[in-house]
Amino acid sequence: QSALTQPASVSGSPGQSISISCTGTSSDIGGYDYVSWYQQHPGNAPKLLIFDVSNRPSGISSRFSGSKSGNTASLTISGLQAEDEAYYYCNSYTSDRTNSLILFGGGTHLTVL
Amino acid sequence: QVQLVQSGGGVVQPGRSLTLSCAASGFTFSNYGMHWVRQAPGKGLEWVAVMSYDGMNTFYGDSAKGRFTISRDNSKNTVYLQMNSLRPEDTAVYYCAKPAISLKVIVVSLDHWGQGALVTVSS
Repeated sequence: QSALTQPASVSGSPGQSISISCTGTSSDIGGYDYVSWYQQHPGNAPKLLIFDVSNRPSGISSRFSGSKSGNTASLTISGLQAEDEAYYYCNSYTSDRTNSLILFGGGTHLTVL
Repeated sequence: QVQLVQSGGGVVQPGRSLTLSCAASGFTFSNYGMHWVRQAPGKGLEWVAVMSYDGMNTFYGDSAKGRFTISRDNSKNTVYLQMNSLRPEDTAVYYCAKPAISLKVIVVSLDHWGQGALVTVSS
């Protein structure tokens, strides 16, 4: 089973902007606008940040934004804050029946320097 | 407010079975499909299974096919995950999760999660 590909780690200084990529194929990210992003602090359950590529649930800061180009989705966090240090996961629907119905990325650890 | 309260985790021997429960409140349970997602120690998230809001459709991740069964009781607002023939590699925290959109068979955006239940498969 192929997970979506994310960088293992990214870092940035407070106030800066960073982006995390999530690469798939035309059967998942490239074919559908069903990409979500989650934030997970150690010991806690994941928290939905972005759904359907670029939509924020109510209560999520506008500092978090999502986009997609071809087979790659991206999460951008602007105005980095210390509390943004966490793991970030993407997920997507896939039509490839050799895979699970829903794929997650391997996760990216964000360090706020 | 939405709450998902899980129960049923624990230590189980390889080859044995275990059933997890997830009791929901704060939303119209029968309008939402429900998912299970797991996370092995120190690892990332892995999607396990989903059952549609009406119970008519179920889908499983590769690791769950043939061994795990998702079910729901809309009269009790509860979703279950029965896990058979457990293996050491099934050791993980298992989360139930609610999708963000109602009345759709497949929704990948999960906006509320249970607290997680640790399942340890070991002799």
